[in-house]
Amino acid sequence: SQKIEQNSEALNIQEGKTATLTCNYTNYSPAYLQWYRQDPGRGPVFLLLIRENEKEKRKERLKVTFDTTLKQSLFHITASQPADSATYLCALGHTGGFKTIFGAGTRLFVKA
Amino acid sequence: DTAVSQTPKYLVTQMGNDKSIKCEQNLGHDTMYWYKQDSKKFLKIMFSYNNKELIINETVPNRFSPKSPDKAHLNLHINSLELGDSAVYFCASSQDPGTPEYGYTFGSGTRLTVV
Repeated sequence: SQKIEQNSEALNIQEGKTATLTCNYTNYSPAYLQWYRQDPGRGPVFLLLIRENEKEKRKERLKVTFDTTLKQSLFHITASQPADSATYLCALGHTGGFKTIFGAGTRLFVKA
Repeated sequence: DTAVSQTPKYLVTQMGNDKSIKCEQNLGHDTMYWYKQDSKKFLKIMFSYNNKELIINETVPNRFSPKSPDKAHLNLHINSLELGDSAVYFCASSQDPGTPEYGYTFGSGTRLTVV
């Protein structure tokens, strides 16, 4: 069955450092991968998308890579700030499909 | 103006009761979804509607019945509530699934507790 794995342990980093979160998947060939941010008591908020034919995508302090051979995406937040503390979810889907599959997320804590 | 609003935010009810959760989006999106987030934080799709038509109905007990009176609304009715139904339920909407660049827009969730 399709499976998405994100590090279940929280990631603690110091302000100003780069946070790197991992998303691995099996039994799936997604057309795209999305990253979301979720704060406690709130719904996920879409951050960015990377397609299967793209190696890297950037948006402000965010960078995402997508390796379809390793079946892995890395999500980087550079110059991290305490306000970046949240849970980050990856999600996979097919173009034209109506079902996006989500990982359980990784909790990020950025210390001042 | 809230893009995807769902009510109520909290719902505490006894086993065996019937309850409804309402969802409305003012984004003009064609597709709406119900997701369930369990205690392990996995978001699992339950239903997807496109222009009021049911597209996805995952392995969900038939005690759960979605209804879409128009493409801006998708409600969830749950009959004979069980303890295992306790979770956070999220409504979401999206533009044409063929353009996933904009992602899903989620509501703030309804925390359902069955006692």
